[in-house]
Amino acid sequence: KNEVEQSPQNLTAQEGEFITINCSYSVGISALHWLQQHPGGGIVSLFMLSSGKKKHGRLIATINIQEKHSSLHITASHPRDSAVYICAVKRGNTDKLIFGTGTRLQVFP
Amino acid sequence: EADIYQTPRYLVIGTGKKITLECSQTMGHDKMYWYQQDPGMELHLIHYSYGVNSTEKGDLSSESTVSRIRTEHFPLTLESARPSHTSQYLCASSEFYQDENTDTQYFGPGTRLTVL
Repeated sequence: KNEVEQSPQNLTAQEGEFITINCSYSVGISALHWLQQHPGGGIVSLFMLSSGKKKHGRLIATINIQEKHSSLHITASHPRDSAVYICAVKRGNTDKLIFGTGTRLQVFP
Repeated sequence: EADIYQTPRYLVIGTGKKITLECSQTMGHDKMYWYQQDPGMELHLIHYSYGVNSTEKGDLSSESTVSRIRTEHFPLTLESARPSHTSQYLCASSEFYQDENTDTQYFGPGTRLTVL
């Protein structure tokens, strides 16, 4: 079993829909990252969380440390949001990241 | 926009060739990383460096080697490429954010390697 699990693995949506991607982890962490990977392969860091909630434009990320769970929400989804969204956690005493396998999102017009 | 670069973006070579994948960053970051990612799979750390002349192997065993002679440059070398090395290789660097008490990583665009 992976230390970082994401669900769903694949997600399709119509433009305008509200999207939720979930991430659960089984290790103690100091921070959790949400990353976006486009088809060309490049990765962009969206959020870094250690508690609570962060918002950037149409993206919202939340984390519940007690439940070892984080969610990434996209409001008013758009075809340009189509990408793979990756959850990664940093274990408390290291600088290394442990990655989930990603959620492939496709938003259709 | 992070200033981290990888070349080449795509490479197709024959078995047995020696190759070097280049990674450079202009942000002055001390920490740099190499990840390997197979299609549809998670990233795995294969090498990292905390500064000049510092290199460590990552969690995934790799036949590649790295060097860190300059802060901005972290090349990865395969002495004799094999089909099993076919994968995407992503380079990253990171800086420490005092407010968050943690690092955030900036990724390069990746090199997609195919060994025939």
